[in-house]
Amino acid sequence: NAGVTQTPKFRILKIGQSMTLQCTQDMNHNYMYWYRQDPGMGLKLIYYSVGAGITDKGEVPNGYNVSRSTTEDFPLRLELAAPSQTSVYFCASSWPSLRETQYFGPGTRLLVL
Amino acid sequence: AQSVTQLDSHVSVSEGTPVLLRCNYSSSYSPSLFWYVQHPNKGLQLLLKYTSAATLVKGINGFEAEFKKSETSFHLTKPSAHMSDAAEYFCVVSDYPLGGNTPLVFGKGTRLSVIA
Repeated sequence: NAGVTQTPKFRILKIGQSMTLQCTQDMNHNYMYWYRQDPGMGLKLIYYSVGAGITDKGEVPNGYNVSRSTTEDFPLRLELAAPSQTSVYFCASSWPSLRETQYFGPGTRLLVL
Repeated sequence: AQSVTQLDSHVSVSEGTPVLLRCNYSSSYSPSLFWYVQHPNKGLQLLLKYTSAATLVKGINGFEAEFKKSETSFHLTKPSAHMSDAAEYFCVVSDYPLGGNTPLVFGKGTRLSVIA
């Protein structure tokens, strides 16, 4: 049982490039989330999904896209990277009835130059 | 709208001494309150949660927190710090009960250092 896994661990992007952050969970959780964590700040919700084929915006969705074709996977897409997207990105998952107990991946550190 | 304020960005204690991490919250409704811990280069882990039951909540690794509605506080305590407690701690608030799209609102975090 690997829990929540994220790839890559670290990536440097040039302004305007695109990339996909991968997230996979093996706990059969319906709910999945993407957060970003900026230095000295708490986590901000980017997007979340309540099940395959259903996604919704969080607090800071601009510049990102998501899809959820399977229960296990919830990739986050950056289309045109900007320096403001330099951050650490966390994926998390939970049961619908226990949304407060979210299981987090180890994070992806992204640097946009 | 909910918000949470962690009153200290950094707390340093000696091993074996008590730990106090302070958190004040603001919520329009009955809140759910949580503490999450983040060890270096790791994801966050739920430490404990308050969801309108007992006001004194016990969590993992000897931590506990007390919900005080009159003071709008949810401070995290531990009687005796251990070196392994060194981490970043996040206070989190949400409306209770948690609906389908009820967000978790995270504080900015408190970094706990434990000195040998």
